[in-house]
Amino acid sequence: AQKVTQAQTEISVVEKEDVTLDCVYETRDTTYYLFWYKQPPSGELVFLIRRNSFDEQNEISGRYSWNFQKSTSSFNFTITASQVVDSAVYFCALSSSGSARQLTFGSGTQLTVLP
Amino acid sequence: DVKVTQSSRYLVKRTGEKVFLECVQDMDHENMFWYRQDPGLGLRLIYFSYDVKMKEKGDIPEGYSVSREKKERFSLILESASTNQTSMYLCASSTGQWGTEAFFGQGTRLTVV
Repeated sequence: AQKVTQAQTEISVVEKEDVTLDCVYETRDTTYYLFWYKQPPSGELVFLIRRNSFDEQNEISGRYSWNFQKSTSSFNFTITASQVVDSAVYFCALSSSGSARQLTFGSGTQLTVLP
Repeated sequence: DVKVTQSSRYLVKRTGEKVFLECVQDMDHENMFWYRQDPGLGLRLIYFSYDVKMKEKGDIPEGYSVSREKKERFSLILESASTNQTSMYLCASSTGQWGTEAFFGQGTRLTVV
């Protein structure tokens, strides 16, 4: 069985603040992939990043960065200098080798960036 | 530009009706998925298919069935719609290689009255 927990249901920040979205996962498998998706108000989920369990290197892409820590089973997502366009629901997801074709999603975090 | 297209953006149906939700992808992907999205519950997998005419149950298959007669098309069927099936339905596709990202359609907001 695999599980993803996003404990933050809603976060509200003011533009230009940094914000971190938490993701904690559970799996018995040693081989797995982690993902982040963004769902803007239009509704379509947009893929942001994928990480495999053997690559703990943090990743930075523009204002986005991801911190993967196997020791705490976490894959947190930070937006630096947030903008109004970052307002969306963000989902963390997990695919383990034991359930290779299935993506298990967390419940999502609604991020609102206020001008 | 890769595309997953769901046939309807909004749908209103009556209790007991048979409902078809259609999804088409143009990426020649092997895998296709149907998810249901509800507030506070995230996305839950209903069914998925890894090949034509192949299907597997996800986490919440009760009350649903699926059909995949062609590689590019994956249909979700509500045999007898009920009010607790009012939800957002999302279709997705991915390649057959494990660990690749899934591409999603724009979603169908289904209301059963």
